[in-house]
Amino acid sequence: DADVTQTPRNRITKTGKRIMLECSQTKGHDRMYWYRQDPGLGLQLIYYSFDVKDINKGEISDGYSVSRQAQAKFSLSLESAIPNQTALYFCATSDTRDRNTGELFFGEGSRLTVL
Amino acid sequence: TQLLEQSPQFLSIQEGENLTVYCNSSSVFSSLQWYRQEPGEGPVLLVTVVTGGEVKKLKRLTFQFGDARKDSSLHITAAQPGDTGLYLCAGLTGANSKLTFGKGITLSVRP
Repeated sequence: DADVTQTPRNRITKTGKRIMLECSQTKGHDRMYWYRQDPGLGLQLIYYSFDVKDINKGEISDGYSVSRQAQAKFSLSLESAIPNQTALYFCATSDTRDRNTGELFFGEGSRLTVL
Repeated sequence: TQLLEQSPQFLSIQEGENLTVYCNSSSVFSSLQWYRQEPGEGPVLLVTVVTGGEVKKLKRLTFQFGDARKDSSLHITAAQPGDTGLYLCAGLTGANSKLTFGKGITLSVRP
């Protein structure tokens, strides 16, 4: 089983719908992240959390919100999806004790299509 | 804003060839990472370089961190089709310990 699990893996939805992408991890890491990947743009940070009560905006947080319900779970919501949010979304984790090198462990991605 | 420029953006080579790709910035990083991403999967860490001038080898892959800790290179010897993928570099700064990713290099190795 994957250490970082994302659900759903694929989702097609319509403009204006609310969408939630979920991430759970079994690595015991305290830090969790949501990234968006578009062709030719690399990975862009949406939100990150260093602990259950800690939420921070990344580079492209507009139109997104997150919830860190427990140390192992970090969900990403699109309150009203729009077509330019069509992308591949990745959840990642890291360990504060490893902050000098900051290795990220990624899930397998959630492909979202907004029609 | 800290930018990481990766070059070339695309590279298609024949099996057995050697190649070098680059990751450059005007910013200084405390460490720099290289990830490889295969289709349908998330990126996986290949190496982290921390010290200016550091060279690390991973089988046929050689990673170098610039003396000033602003740039890095990845050299692959005798490339194989299994090396095909997207190579991402990411720089870590002390502030909030966040990673900044480059846009990636798409490598295709033809049999």
